[in-house]
Amino acid sequence: GENVEQHPSTLSVQEGDSAVIKCTYSDSASNYFPWYKQELGKRPQLIIDIRSNVGEKKDQRIAVTLNKTAKHFSLHITETQPEDSAVYFCAASGAAGNKLTFGGGTRVLVKP
Amino acid sequence: DAGVIQSPRHEVTEMGQEVTLRCKPISGHNSLFWYRQTMMRGLELLIYFNNNVPIDDSGMPEDRFSAKMPNASFSTLKIQPSEPRDSAVYFCASNPEAGHQPQHFGDGTRLSIL
Repeated sequence: GENVEQHPSTLSVQEGDSAVIKCTYSDSASNYFPWYKQELGKRPQLIIDIRSNVGEKKDQRIAVTLNKTAKHFSLHITETQPEDSAVYFCAASGAAGNKLTFGGGTRVLVKP
Repeated sequence: DAGVIQSPRHEVTEMGQEVTLRCKPISGHNSLFWYRQTMMRGLELLIYFNNNVPIDDSGMPEDRFSAKMPNASFSTLKIQPSEPRDSAVYFCASNPEAGHQPQHFGDGTRLSIL
C-alpha cells in the first residue's frame, strides 16, 4: 500500500520567514495530494490540495509543488505569522479508491 | 451546512466497558471515514464506507472494533470491550466519492479508557 513520509517533524521559524515541509510517497499511481492544518485540540482542516496534472498551486501565502517523477511534494508558507503555528499533515490518495494515507505531521512554531 | 457531526465530544469510561462513537456525515457525501489519532501512531485510517458499504477495514486494529453505517446519514464505531490502549481521539470524515474531493473532518471524540 501507499507510504507517505513527512519531514521535518518539527519546524521553528521566525515570524516573517518562510516555512517548507516536504513529503514523499511510494505509490506512483497516487494522483491527489491534500494538506491539512490542525491546531491544538481541533480537527484537521484542508488548507490546499493539488492533483497530479498540476505541478504547482498557490493560494495567498501558501503554495504546494508536486514532482511526480521524484514522487515528492512540498508545502511552502511565506511571510509566516504566529497564527500559522500548528501541526501540518500531508496526504496522498492513489488509484485504489478514495483512501488517504497521511504523513506523520510537522509541528510548526512561528516565533514572534 | 453543519459539517460532519460527531458525538460524544468526550468519553471517559472504565476498561471492559462498551464504547459507541457516532458520526453524521455532510449531507450528500457518500464516503465516510473513521480515523484514530495518537501521539505515537499519528492519524490512522481505521475503516471507510462508500454508499454505506465498508470498502476497506484493514486499519481496524482488532475484533474488539466494529463499525456500521446503517444509512447515508449515520455511522457508529464500537469498541467492546475497551482497553486503556484504545485511548485516543477518533475522527470521522466525509466526502463525495467521485473525483478525489477533500475530506471534511468532524470535531472528533476524545476517548479515555481508565
